[in-house]
Amino acid sequence: GESVGLHLPTLSVQEGDNSIINCAYSNSASDYFIWYKQESGKGPQFIIDIRSNMDKRQGQRVTVLLNKTVKHLSLQIAATQPGDSAVYFCAEKGRQAGTALIFGKGTTLSVSS
Amino acid sequence: ETGVTQSPTHLIKTRGQQVTLRCSSQSGHNTVSWYQQALGQGPQFIFQYYREEENGRGNFPPRFSGLQFPNYSSELNVNALELDDSALYLCASRSSGISEQFFGPGTRLTVL
Repeated sequence: GESVGLHLPTLSVQEGDNSIINCAYSNSASDYFIWYKQESGKGPQFIIDIRSNMDKRQGQRVTVLLNKTVKHLSLQIAATQPGDSAVYFCAEKGRQAGTALIFGKGTTLSVSS
Repeated sequence: ETGVTQSPTHLIKTRGQQVTLRCSSQSGHNTVSWYQQALGQGPQFIFQYYREEENGRGNFPPRFSGLQFPNYSSELNVNALELDDSALYLCASRSSGISEQFFGPGTRLTVL
């Protein structure tokens, strides 16, 4: 089946650096994409989302970029903090009602101070 | 906090047993989805309930079943437990017509 994958399983950065987490998706019919943050022992926490009619969306310290030509999604975290350390998942969803979020395997972000 | 609660937090069962996990959705959310997350993996969609009916299902066998109640809370039932059913089970709720969904903290199920 089609799935969303992430390029790197782990990413280590220094506090204050900018982090970029990448994701490749394969279903061209997907029209909604989300980034989640999951801390140990907790459920996924919504970070930011983007629809397929956009190529960039900004939140507080985070930016999501969508490149539909190469089916690539990225999450940029500005001024990374130790509290940003977690596993980050991208997920995609199709248009039809009842379609599920399809998650990738995740990237573990480690921030050292 | 998302307002989605799950119980129990942890559970240990043996092979062949049956288990029921519970989820209370965020106020006003009428759609509930269940996911299975194996260690080190992303969540995998089990099924979704809307207005007390299943309206979407992932690649899980029939021994995974569910219910949604008039107050939109939900149950996940798993029969004939297998060792591979050991995982974190996540519930997520949303309003119909809105894509953003909110996850609960999950139930950690261990099958021995």
